[in-house]
Amino acid sequence: GQNIDQPTEMTATEGAIVQINCTYQTSGFNGLFWYQQHAGEAPTFLSYNVLDGLEEKGRFSSFLSRSKGYSYLLLKELQMKDSASYLCAVRDQENSWGKFQFGAGTQVVVTP
Amino acid sequence: DAGVTQSPTHLIKTRGQHVTLRCSPISGHKSVSWYQQVLGQGPQFIFQYYEKEERGRGNFPDRFSARQFPNYSSELNVNALLLGDSALYLCASSLATGGNIQYFGAGTRLSVL
Repeated sequence: GQNIDQPTEMTATEGAIVQINCTYQTSGFNGLFWYQQHAGEAPTFLSYNVLDGLEEKGRFSSFLSRSKGYSYLLLKELQMKDSASYLCAVRDQENSWGKFQFGAGTQVVVTP
Repeated sequence: DAGVTQSPTHLIKTRGQHVTLRCSPISGHKSVSWYQQVLGQGPQFIFQYYEKEERGRGNFPDRFSARQFPNYSSELNVNALLLGDSALYLCASSLATGGNIQYFGAGTRLSVL
């Protein structure tokens, strides 16, 4: 079956680093995406990995290991505005049109 | 440039009614996907359309249907509404299908009473 797992909630202090892990089991794989979603708003794209390794974009980095079915999103120098839900999504290729499968999201709470 | 736009923003319906939600993709994007997001959960895939044809369907009953128009905008229709259909309905657009980033609209909040 299809399964994407990520922790429900994480708390960290302003200025610190937080790592959000995501493990997946899907029938196919055509990329892993991370989205940020503030309460009541649309998900906004953060990063995309299709090959193994680390992708860095400013304070955010994302890592992928396809053999382990594992990714993480690293948030550095946390700011209060980073308090949000972070969604891990895998694009499968079950039917060659690659629909997105989302995890339930990790709620990150940044405290002063 | 305008992002993905959805209408209406909020909607209240009663059980058994029908609803139509609308989505306009980013200019130049030919693929539109629909998702249902229940509070506290990630978005669940409903449909994907590309060049006016259905390219994918999630595990939703036949009460859910959609279509894409020649200008690439899309409608999601839900018949015989149930209380459990209350959710945020998100539309996402992308240039094509394979591997492209999906950009989301702000969603339509549907409440079924």
